[in-house]
Amino acid sequence: GNSVTQMEGPVTLSEEAFLTINCTYTATGYPSLFWYVQYPGEGLQLLLKATKADDKGSNKGFEATYRKETTSFHLEKGSVQVSDSAVYFCALGTQGGSEKLVFGKGMKLTVNP
Amino acid sequence: DVKVTQSSRYLVKRTGEKVFLECVQDMDHENMFWYRQDPGLGLRLIYFSYDVKMKEKGDIPEGYSVSREKKERFSLILESASTNQTSMYLCATGTSGFDQQYFGPGTRLTVT
Repeated sequence: GNSVTQMEGPVTLSEEAFLTINCTYTATGYPSLFWYVQYPGEGLQLLLKATKADDKGSNKGFEATYRKETTSFHLEKGSVQVSDSAVYFCALGTQGGSEKLVFGKGMKLTVNP
Repeated sequence: DVKVTQSSRYLVKRTGEKVFLECVQDMDHENMFWYRQDPGLGLRLIYFSYDVKMKEKGDIPEGYSVSREKKERFSLILESASTNQTSMYLCATGTSGFDQQYFGPGTRLTVT
């Protein structure tokens, strides 16, 4: 079946540090890959996505590249800010009737000034 | 702007009560989903619906039911609430073809 494995944390960084959150997946077919972010007290919102191999998604300084050969979609940001403190979820979706998302367990990031 | 609303942000219920959680969307999306979010477990799908009056079980449907009488509204029902259903409940909507899912703000339910 489809599954997503991601770093779980929690992780604490200082402002301007480099961030990597690892995400690997197992899927049949050709999945779309997503990173969602949940800020404190809010629902999830889409951060970025990639729909095919070698696509790079980017938003708000975050980037992730869809690597089919390593089945990975790692999230990176060169310089984190206090406002990036949130929970980050990697997710996978496949078409073919279900259109459901499979989520990783989420990683809580705290950025200190 | 996309809008998914949930009936309550916080809810406290007693064991054995019947609980209704409502989700309303204004985007004319076909698909609607109910998840629960628990620390260390991430998001788990309870039920989803592709169309009015259609529903399918997700990964953890036990103890829950759903209702979708109108396209814009998807209700989650806890027939007899139990303490192990204390959780954050998230509603989401989406279209066919996997653009993305849009989430509501969540309802934090406490069952005492």
